[in-house]
Amino acid sequence: GAGVSQSPSNKVTEKGKDVELRCDPISGHTALYWYRQSLGQGLEFLIYFQGNSAPDKSGLPSDRFSAERTGGSVSTLTIQRTQQEDSAVYLCASSAITRRDEQFFGPGTRLTVL
Amino acid sequence: AQSVAQPEDQVNVAEGNPLTVKCTYSVSGNPYLFWYVQYPNRGLQFLLKYITGDNLVKGSYGFEAEFNKSQTSFHLKKPSALVSDSALYFCAVSGTTSGTYKYIFGTGTRLKVLA
Repeated sequence: GAGVSQSPSNKVTEKGKDVELRCDPISGHTALYWYRQSLGQGLEFLIYFQGNSAPDKSGLPSDRFSAERTGGSVSTLTIQRTQQEDSAVYLCASSAITRRDEQFFGPGTRLTVL
Repeated sequence: AQSVAQPEDQVNVAEGNPLTVKCTYSVSGNPYLFWYVQYPNRGLQFLLKYITGDNLVKGSYGFEAEFNKSQTSFHLKKPSALVSDSALYFCAVSGTTSGTYKYIFGTGTRLKVLA
């Protein structure tokens, strides 16, 4: 596809359940990022993957959050034992290898934890 | 620590008037600066970036931004606003330290262009 895609577009879950969010980056982009957009808190960085290097997990808010990237392409963000404060829009972005390139964002997954 | 500030939560401007959305940054070294726009229920769309070179950067949809090193600012501007420009605008910085290229975002400014 031409752009970054994310699925599902919306996810409603009950507190305590696990959820998986998927991101398909632009073909050929080696860098992949996850951000969270919370109401009243703006956009915050979660995790960054670059090629085969160890990911930068410095933005993950707790050990309930994890992410993986298989085959250098698709990424999955997993939230275990979801809490109401996890409700947010989760955005994925990808970019080419050089940091001079802008990041291209997907449409996001809106997560609602009841 | 790197940071970005967008001091205005909302900016209102009449259609046809010039608009400015403010952004200031704090980063060690030479910053990479970006502006993104977010329309309702859509992802972020890239508008423009400053890496090096001319301080005035031109981007998509008639937007431009001026990099001012002495004032550590990167304000977004447009000579004549359109109602369709109404959206949420984010300034971001990607720093030169830490070895990662994550964005640090401002809190966003909601632009409302009035017909």
